[in-house]
Amino acid sequence: DIVMTQSPLSLPVALGQPASISCRSSQSVVHSDGNIYINWYHQRPGQSPRRLIYKVSNRDSGVPDRFSGSGSGSDFTLNISRVEAEDVGVYYCLQHTHWPQTFGQGTKLDIK
Amino acid sequence: EVQLVESGGGLVQPGGSLRLSCVASGFTFSTSWMRWVRQAPGKGLEWVANIKEDGTDKFYVDSVKGRFTISRDNAKDSLYLQMHSLRAEDTAVYYCVGGAFYAYWGQGTLVTVSS
Repeated sequence: DIVMTQSPLSLPVALGQPASISCRSSQSVVHSDGNIYINWYHQRPGQSPRRLIYKVSNRDSGVPDRFSGSGSGSDFTLNISRVEAEDVGVYYCLQHTHWPQTFGQGTKLDIK
Repeated sequence: EVQLVESGGGLVQPGGSLRLSCVASGFTFSTSWMRWVRQAPGKGLEWVANIKEDGTDKFYVDSVKGRFTISRDNAKDSLYLQMHSLRAEDTAVYYCVGGAFYAYWGQGTLVTVSS
């Protein structure tokens, strides 16, 4: 199985400052169709996960443009340009290029 | 508006059985792969099972193979997870997930396996 390793696991950030979360896969997650099936999710306390990004860099409808995804091969990043209070919670990456699909262990973002 | 509403969770003794249900609305259920994903208390996300649009293909994480069965009824826009021989380590919130690229998630239903 592909292991998705996120870093950092804990991320204290001051309001208005940028934040960056890394997600590295144990092997390439480039599909034979040429696509890379990497998603990013945000889970607020007591809520279900909400998808922010799909296929590495495509932002979901309603997601603020301060969120962006990038990466290639086996190295991916979620960036938040200016952290707001509502961004607290846990962020997960997911690869569904290869079977079985696997999640990163999560990165907890809180306000410094 | 897309909605996935799970039900059927609860407290069950080790070795017991439970059937989870999920009713979908707001998207075309019959053309979507559907999944169950779980989250143990205070832990991360773990994929449990997938089912193809027409129900012909099903896949499971190794830890639940032979004990859990995923199924669907496209006429009712519903997804199910039949769970047998439940263990303490199956204790988790179970989420119904659907749509393209794991887009939509339900609010989850809590399964607690304890004596």
